[in-house]
Amino acid sequence: AQTVTQSQPEMSVQEAETVTLSCTYDTSENNYYLFWYKQPPSRQMILVIRQEAYKQQNATENRFSVNFQKAAKSFSLKISDSQLGDTAMYFCAFLRSNDYKLSFGAGTTVTVRA
Amino acid sequence: DAGITQSPRHKVTETGTPVTLRCHQTENHRYMYWYRQDPGHGLRLIHYSYGVKDTDKGEVSDGYSVSRSKTEDFLLTLESATSSQTSVYFCAISARGGPDTQYFGPGTRLTVL
Repeated sequence: AQTVTQSQPEMSVQEAETVTLSCTYDTSENNYYLFWYKQPPSRQMILVIRQEAYKQQNATENRFSVNFQKAAKSFSLKISDSQLGDTAMYFCAFLRSNDYKLSFGAGTTVTVRA
Repeated sequence: DAGITQSPRHKVTETGTPVTLRCHQTENHRYMYWYRQDPGHGLRLIHYSYGVKDTDKGEVSDGYSVSRSKTEDFLLTLESATSSQTSVYFCAISARGGPDTQYFGPGTRLTVL
């Protein structure tokens, strides 16, 4: 299984400010996908953002953006203008191209303070 | 919403009893997956299916079996539940026709006493 590491178990951010979550992964593959999922207290797993490794351009989805550094095997998530509804656990995940096994990091709990 | 439902949503059972969890999807997706979520481990793949009657093992398949007799249903069975199988179980589908982006059901919390 691929190794995905999220080194920050917990993070706290003031409402309207920016927070960056780190993720590193270990692979010898050249083609793969990377994802960030959000899990709020409702327990639902929600896709936040998706990045294809062959694309150099960083993916963005509204207030969420990534910094994908392929050579460094790093895939950080930036949440801008944090909102109370962003409070959740965030998981980084890796999928090899043409594989079925999504590998997850252990997660980072983000708390947005009012 | 990828049209995925899971049943039951909560279940408490005793060690040694059989348990079946059901995942149902309404959009005819070919690929379906079962994961378990435990503290400190993120989600780990148990089994997956790439078509009716086509299944394969994931990372943590010991003690679990699956079946898929219809496209829309993917069943996860614990033949003889153990306390180590207390977990939250998620079903997922790949929405693009292949092993790509996965979307998850609401989860089932299983407690084995």
